[in-house]
Amino acid sequence: EDQVTQSPEALRLQEGESSSLNCSYTVSGLRGLFWYRQDPGKGPEFLFTLYSAGEEKEKERLKATLTKKESFLHITAPKPEDSATYLCAVQGFSGGYNKLIFGAGTRLAVHP
Amino acid sequence: DAGVIQSPRHEVTEMGQEVTLRCKPISGHDYLFWYRQTMMRGLELLIYFNNNVPIDDSGMPEDRFSAKMPNASFSTLKIQPSEPRDSAVYFCASSQDRDYGYTFGSGTRLTVV
Repeated sequence: EDQVTQSPEALRLQEGESSSLNCSYTVSGLRGLFWYRQDPGKGPEFLFTLYSAGEEKEKERLKATLTKKESFLHITAPKPEDSATYLCAVQGFSGGYNKLIFGAGTRLAVHP
Repeated sequence: DAGVIQSPRHEVTEMGQEVTLRCKPISGHDYLFWYRQTMMRGLELLIYFNNNVPIDDSGMPEDRFSAKMPNASFSTLKIQPSEPRDSAVYFCASSQDRDYGYTFGSGTRLTVV
């Protein structure tokens, strides 16, 4: 069964303090790994898709990386507006095309 | 594009009543998904459609839940009868291609009392 575990559950940073969020996954053949951002009272917002180990993608202060067992979301010099819950999801070959399994998320709070 | 549109935004109902949640996907998206989010279980896939056809409904918790997609621009998720444990935020999402991920709606917060 496909599984996604995210750590830490919650993270508090000072503005400008860089850090990383972890997403460990178990999947029978990885089609893709997805990162989303979710603000309170809103639906998840798509950030990145990664397909193979060694792949990296960047967007502003965020960079996502992928290995065969985990993915990291690196946040460089975060700002208060980066505060949100970050969700990781995997799409495997066994789950049916285009079906995403989500982790529980990491709640990030960035304080000025 | 207005994105994925869900209605209502909030629904409060009494146990035993029928509840219908609505979703309008993004035009041109071939896939539509219904997810449920709770603090305890996170985001759970309930059912998804491809070209209006249900593909995987293994996440639908019980026979009390049903979903339809009569055309490419509309889907409903119905709970009958509703129970307090159905209280959650229900999200609809649509997708054109896996490269673009899903686009989620703003969700319907359902409270069953």
